[in-house]
Amino acid sequence: GAGVSQSPSNKVTEKGKDVELRCDPISGHTALYWYRQSLGQGLEFLIYFQGNSAPDKSGLPSDRFSAERTGGSVSTLTIQRTQQEDSAVYLCASSPPPRSTDTQYFGPGTRLTVL
Amino acid sequence: SQELEQSPQSLIVQEGKNLTINCTSSKTLYGLYWYKQKYGEGLIFLMMLQKGGEEKSHEKITAKLDEKKQQSSLHITASQPSHAGIYLCGADTTSGTYKYIFGTGTRLKVLA
Repeated sequence: GAGVSQSPSNKVTEKGKDVELRCDPISGHTALYWYRQSLGQGLEFLIYFQGNSAPDKSGLPSDRFSAERTGGSVSTLTIQRTQQEDSAVYLCASSPPPRSTDTQYFGPGTRLTVL
Repeated sequence: SQELEQSPQSLIVQEGKNLTINCTSSKTLYGLYWYKQKYGEGLIFLMMLQKGGEEKSHEKITAKLDEKKQQSSLHITASQPSHAGIYLCGADTTSGTYKYIFGTGTRLKVLA
C-alpha cells in the first residue's frame, strides 16, 4: 500500500501481559515516530527513529516500553506487563529524509485496551 | 498546561455554515501542521504552514499562520457533513527538530 500501515488495528489484553504493535512506514521514509493518544488528550511523543542513528527514546513513559526498527523499515513497539493506564491509541508516523518540510504521515493506529 | 491550545474543543454547526478553529502557541511556530482524524482512522495531513502570514487552501478549507507565527486558524467555508471529524494542529516549536507537539483537537460535527 501507499500509506503507513499498522497492525493489529485493535488489541485487547489482560493486565500484566506483553503486547507487540507493528508499524510499516511508507517506502523510502527514513524517519519513523511512535505516538500515544489517550482519551481526551493530545498526541504524546514516544520514540523517534531516523535512518541508522540511535533512536530518541526520551518520550517512553517507563522501562516497560521499548521499540525497535529492523532494517530501517518496519518497527515494533513492545509494552511489557501492560497496565490499565496503557490503554490508548498508538499511532505510528513516517516522514521522508530530513528537509525543511518534514510532514509526518500517520497510520490508522492500534487501539489498545488493557482489562 | 497544554503547550499548543486549540479552540473550541468541540463545535456543532449546521451544514452550509462557515467555521473557524484556532491553534495558539506560547512559542514561535517553525512549522504548523493541520490534520484531520476520523474514528478508527489515522491522522490525515491537510496542510503545512511555515512563513508568517502564509495562507493555504485545500478545497473549502483555508489555514493561515499569523505574522508573529504563534497562532494559526483553520477556516471551513460552507461546511458539509464530510467535514466532520477531529481537527488537530501539530507544531514544531524548536526549529529543525522532529519533536512535534500537538493540540488536543477540535471535534467538529456538521448537522445535515
